[in-house]
Amino acid sequence: DAKTTQPPSMDCAEGRAANLPCNHSTISGNEYVYWYRQIHSQGPQYIIHGLKNNETNEMASLIITEDRKSSTLILPHATLRDTAVYYCIARRINTGTASKLTFGTGTRLQVTL
Amino acid sequence: NAGVTQTPKFRVLKTGQSMTLLCAQDMNHEYMYWYRQDPGMGLRLIHYSVGEGTTAKGEVPDGYNVSRLKKQNFLLGLESAAPSQTSVYFCASTSTVVGEKLFFGSGTQLSVL
Repeated sequence: DAKTTQPPSMDCAEGRAANLPCNHSTISGNEYVYWYRQIHSQGPQYIIHGLKNNETNEMASLIITEDRKSSTLILPHATLRDTAVYYCIARRINTGTASKLTFGTGTRLQVTL
Repeated sequence: NAGVTQTPKFRVLKTGQSMTLLCAQDMNHEYMYWYRQDPGMGLRLIHYSVGEGTTAKGEVPDGYNVSRLKKQNFLLGLESAAPSQTSVYFCASTSTVVGEKLFFGSGTQLSVL
């Protein structure tokens, strides 16, 4: 799985959009980009994933650049409950075997009043 | 549908004692993972399994053993606990049917004195 790089921390005002970047410059053509978040000491929670098209669900939007070397997770109207550590992962799927699936240290997003 | 259930939630051990952490999932997932998370750190993969009867080493397997005798259960064993194994342990499962999104348990806080 390709290595990903994220800023260690970000701040966002409540009600504003939070844009979390992720660099995955060595991503291969069949690797998907996944985002998870971990609120305080809870188990991580899946947010969204995509291959090359932009994706949107009820939680967030995922924008992947055309060259697929980077992506941005967008929380359109951040709330205090979105304060968490956000992890970006690049990995192949549907291979018939599970990869080691490792997490980095992510981005700590602090949403403030 | 309980998802991923970890037992126990908390445990205190003395150095040298042994214990087993249980992870159970009711989603018929093929793949299961054990992670540990130390304070301020990301998740590190201990062991994983791609199916019943199969296991593989992750990033930090030393001092741990695992077994997957039944598809729904993934056991993590500590034969002789050490203070360095004080951590929060998370189990996760996934399947190709759900796009390999990870579902996490709520974690086990383990302290080794």
